[in-house]
Amino acid sequence: QVHLVQSGAEVKKPGASVKVSCKASEHILTTSYMHWVRLAPGQGLEWMGISDPTDGTTTYAQKFQGRVTITRDTSTSTVYMELSGLSSEDAAVYFCASTGLEYYLDQWGRGTLVIVSS
Amino acid sequence: QVVLTQSPSASASLGASVKLTCTLSSAYRSYAIAWHQKQAEKGPRFLMKLNSDGSHIQGDGIPDRFSGSSSGAERYLTISSLQSEDEADYYCQTWGTGIHVVFGGGTKLTVL
Repeated sequence: QVHLVQSGAEVKKPGASVKVSCKASEHILTTSYMHWVRLAPGQGLEWMGISDPTDGTTTYAQKFQGRVTITRDTSTSTVYMELSGLSSEDAAVYFCASTGLEYYLDQWGRGTLVIVSS
Repeated sequence: QVVLTQSPSASASLGASVKLTCTLSSAYRSYAIAWHQKQAEKGPRFLMKLNSDGSHIQGDGIPDRFSGSSSGAERYLTISSLQSEDEADYYCQTWGTGIHVVFGGGTKLTVL
């Protein structure tokens, strides 16, 4: 079973950027689609974007277009999610997850808490 | 765009059964979904992939107390012999070309 280990909690000021990492226990970045999902207080799960295993091509949810960037380092089996222009509405727990060709998220990280505070 | 509708809350007694519903918007009634459990302070846990014909793929280590079924545009998650640790938020999720990944709003399950 693949384990996805995420980086620790972050505290950021409004307007700043945050970069969250997700390290896989196996070399799945070239075989699995890697997704990012967030959960804000009082809200539901929200899909942010995906990295294609073939070449790292990314697709983002329209809501986050222009603010989110997903990258990967296959040598360390790590995928990253960077979100810029943070506001209080971006305070949330951010999760990475993996899927096969069908996008049911069958492996999840434990989450990274991002706090946005001046 | 596909919409997944879930009741915001549900409750059932310890040891009883509960059936949670996820309704797909009509144009997407043939779509498969996945059920996920989100316990407090933990990452989400994949429970199962559920097809429109009711067949499903159980997640690794998920007990058979968790079962799924389908009828038309509705997808169900039944949890039997409820335990205190089943108290959690339950989300349905679907996917497809152009829609990528979509979640329902989640159902908060309280075990009485």
